[in-house]
Amino acid sequence: AAGVIQSPRHLIKEKRETATLKCYPIPRHDTVYWYQQGPGQDPQFLISFYEKMQSDKGSIPDRFSAQQFSDYHSELNMSSLELGDSALYFCASSGDPPESLDEQFFGPGTRLTVL
Amino acid sequence: AQRVTQPEKLLSVFKGAPVELKCNYSYSGSPELFWYVQYSRQRLQLLLRHISRESIKGFTADLNKGETSFHLKKPFAQEEDSAMYYCALRTGGRGNKLVFGAGTILRVKS
Repeated sequence: AAGVIQSPRHLIKEKRETATLKCYPIPRHDTVYWYQQGPGQDPQFLISFYEKMQSDKGSIPDRFSAQQFSDYHSELNMSSLELGDSALYFCASSGDPPESLDEQFFGPGTRLTVL
Repeated sequence: AQRVTQPEKLLSVFKGAPVELKCNYSYSGSPELFWYVQYSRQRLQLLLRHISRESIKGFTADLNKGETSFHLKKPFAQEEDSAMYYCALRTGGRGNKLVFGAGTILRVKS
């Protein structure tokens, strides 16, 4: 079965550079979530989109922005990267209940390293 | 504010022994509680959720609103249960975030 796809899987950037992370949800899923997991930490929610509109917002820095496109894929744009942005970035998607009971299915994550 | 607490970073048990992974939450309303599991080098996946009241891979969890707990239990641990387990809470409907606990590493020894 198709799963959530994230690209790239690994990304190395220098401080002050920009990065774009992409997330492709499971087909027919219309809701996308972004989480950040720092080393040794639990996943922290950043932002989510439902039907291309922002539906919830967490501790996402102003340097980050995200959007969901008409094909439901989402991109997380990160500017002026800092060392502390080094983390694993998870994307999750969910679909229409009751088929999936609104379960969030997670992607494999993008590991961002900022040097 | 919502918070999920998993007091144990590591739980080590022998194969066949009972397992209980603790999870406590703080939220004044009616949350949805979940357990997610992450096996080595694999993605996070849902293990079970309190509204389903299912037993998955022999694991069960009961929501205790009085104690604000959602402990994960299994009567007989198997080596393949070794993984990272996250308890998570969701306060709203679809599109709403999951709040995760710090996670507990379960190590099942032979």
